[in-house]
Amino acid sequence: EAGVTQFPSHSVIEKGQTVTLRCDPISGHDNLYWYRRVMGKEIKFLLHFVKESKQDESGMPNNRFLAERTGGTYSTLKVQPAELEDSGVYFCASSQEAGEWDTEAFFGQGTRLTVV
Amino acid sequence: QKEVEQNSGPLSVPEGAIASLNCTYSDRGSQSFFWYRQYSGKSPELIMSIYSNGDKEDGRFTAQLNKASQYVSLLIRDSQPSDSATYLCAVKSGGSYIPTFGRGTSLIVHP
Repeated sequence: EAGVTQFPSHSVIEKGQTVTLRCDPISGHDNLYWYRRVMGKEIKFLLHFVKESKQDESGMPNNRFLAERTGGTYSTLKVQPAELEDSGVYFCASSQEAGEWDTEAFFGQGTRLTVV
Repeated sequence: QKEVEQNSGPLSVPEGAIASLNCTYSDRGSQSFFWYRQYSGKSPELIMSIYSNGDKEDGRFTAQLNKASQYVSLLIRDSQPSDSATYLCAVKSGGSYIPTFGRGTSLIVHP
């Protein structure tokens, strides 16, 4: 069974450009989470989807970030326009039941975003 | 604001020694505690979870929780070079679906 997959693995863009990150959760997982790790900092929560609905988007830093999960399958996270401080590693995780981090929540390998 | 604090390290230990990783948290309502291991360029992987005060052992790993003092630790016995990684502490309160992560401690086990 495939795990959580993220595309691309690396992205280097110029300030002001747009980047779209994609996350494919484990099949059947209704819950999808986005996290971000800025260099030297902790992994910070961005938002949580239950199927196609945003359950919690309290961690989204500003309106330059837009997350979608049309159809309740894969999710995209768009950054437009990108700023230097957006650089970091963006992680996605998924679980079947909400909050089941000890049994069934798994992370993807992350997308390393570098804004220059 | 909920905070989870870890010493970023690196913590360097010789092969065969005990590695001790510590984590403190600010939210007294926290109920679930997790340790993740992350190799460079890889996904974080859950290695231990603990919910009650005391020790929980799994192979070479022991998680220790002290809610009164608001700290959780991870001991790795007989450390191996393959244990070299970043160890992330994560804490979740009972009313939340979302754990809060620390910045991680880098562990280096040298032969």
